[in-house]
Amino acid sequence: DGGITQSPKYLFRKEGQNVTLSCEQNLNHDAMYWYRQDPGQGLRLIYYSQIVNDFQKGDIAEGYSVSREKKESFPLTVTSAQKNPTAFYLCASRAAGRGINEQFFGPGTRLTVL
Amino acid sequence: EDQVTQSPEALRLQEGESSSLNCSYTVSGLRGLFWYRQDPGKGPEFLFTLYSAGEEKEKERLKATLTKKESFLHITAPKPEDSATYLCAVQAQVDNAGNMLTFGGGTRLMVKP
Repeated sequence: DGGITQSPKYLFRKEGQNVTLSCEQNLNHDAMYWYRQDPGQGLRLIYYSQIVNDFQKGDIAEGYSVSREKKESFPLTVTSAQKNPTAFYLCASRAAGRGINEQFFGPGTRLTVL
Repeated sequence: EDQVTQSPEALRLQEGESSSLNCSYTVSGLRGLFWYRQDPGKGPEFLFTLYSAGEEKEKERLKATLTKKESFLHITAPKPEDSATYLCAVQAQVDNAGNMLTFGGGTRLMVKP
């Protein structure tokens, strides 16, 4: 089955620790995205990548870092510099090509800072 | 700056009671408007893309429509399994090489049997 997987489903972090959230897709999509969702708020874009070895900051990139070494993988690191990291994190991907604009989402990772 | 506002924030319906969810937007040239369904604790599920005013799309009990300023998601004779949060997002035409989306806050729909 083609799709997007995120792991872990739940993640607990102590203050001062860096943690890495995994996102893998086997849809052969070129573009991948990371969003953050807080209760009662819309999704906010953290980082995105359109091709391997290239990525751009979104609206709320401070305190986060990413890498895109493989087409299938786009891990997100939440660093200790992120002041309020407790949130639901969603990864999405999109196929390349004219007129193909829909993003498809993974199941999400809920991060809680203890 | 692109903006998306969804209303109401929450909507309670009886099973079979039809209604509409609203998505108002301001965007620098609309490339597309997207509707997603999100169940609690899960990722959003893609429903529809609308590209131009006057366009309509249907899927089972859901119908999405688009004008130059807003989109409606009409739910006909809803069932309890339609309960979810419905998200609207827009994609701007201008300065958007990354095909980024701007999301609204969502409407939480609860359908009682």
